Amino acid sequence: EPEVTQTPSHQVTQMGQEVILRCVPISNHLYFYWYRQILGQKVEFLVSFYNNEISEKSEIFDDQFSVERPDGSNFTLKIRSTKLEDSAMYFCASSYHPGGGNSPLHFGNGTRLTVT
Amino acid sequence: EDQVTQSPEALRLQEGESSSLNCSYTVSGLRGLFWYRQDPGKGPEFLFTLYSAGEEKEKERLKATLTKKESFLHITAPKPEDSATYLCAVQVSGGSYIPTFGRGTSLIVHP
Repeated sequence: EPEVTQTPSHQVTQMGQEVILRCVPISNHLYFYWYRQILGQKVEFLVSFYNNEISEKSEIFDDQFSVERPDGSNFTLKIRSTKLEDSAMYFCASSYHPGGGNSPLHFGNGTRLTVT
Repeated sequence: EDQVTQSPEALRLQEGESSSLNCSYTVSGLRGLFWYRQDPGKGPEFLFTLYSAGEEKEKERLKATLTKKESFLHITAPKPEDSATYLCAVQVSGGSYIPTFGRGTSLIVHP
């Protein structure tokens, strides 16, 4: 069964550094998402992406965040200047329909980002 | 503001002891409600989508039901491998299509 893959599984970085989290969505999916989950808290939406542009973003997704689909398969989340509070598990997801209406969101296994 | 509340926060069961998890929602209009399973250190794994009150979906020992205010995930004769966090997410009609997640119920099934 096709799956969403994320790399790396764990990233440790120092405060102020830039990180790029990478995702390969399911190949025939059209909508891509980033969510994050701070330890012990709920899964929170960051951004959705369709047709090479951001379609929706949350208040969390401020100017330090950016997303890109640099080629036909990868989808990346960049955090320009990491803060301690960015430490979380970041999940990439994809779906064929928007928001999983007639097809659910499929999630990767996440990248655990630790900012020291 | 739209809200998704799951209860209980944590549930411990003996193997074979059936129970139910609850997801209550207060949204302006429901487009869809999703149940996911999340194992430690993993991403959410899709289980069910429900669209309208009265709808039911089943998969092995799990059955999801939906009313106008809440959804239940019934677990019949659970096994230790059913231990996981179960997440509910709602998609609101007429606005953002982004699913909003509840905090989840952590289920532990003891052998």
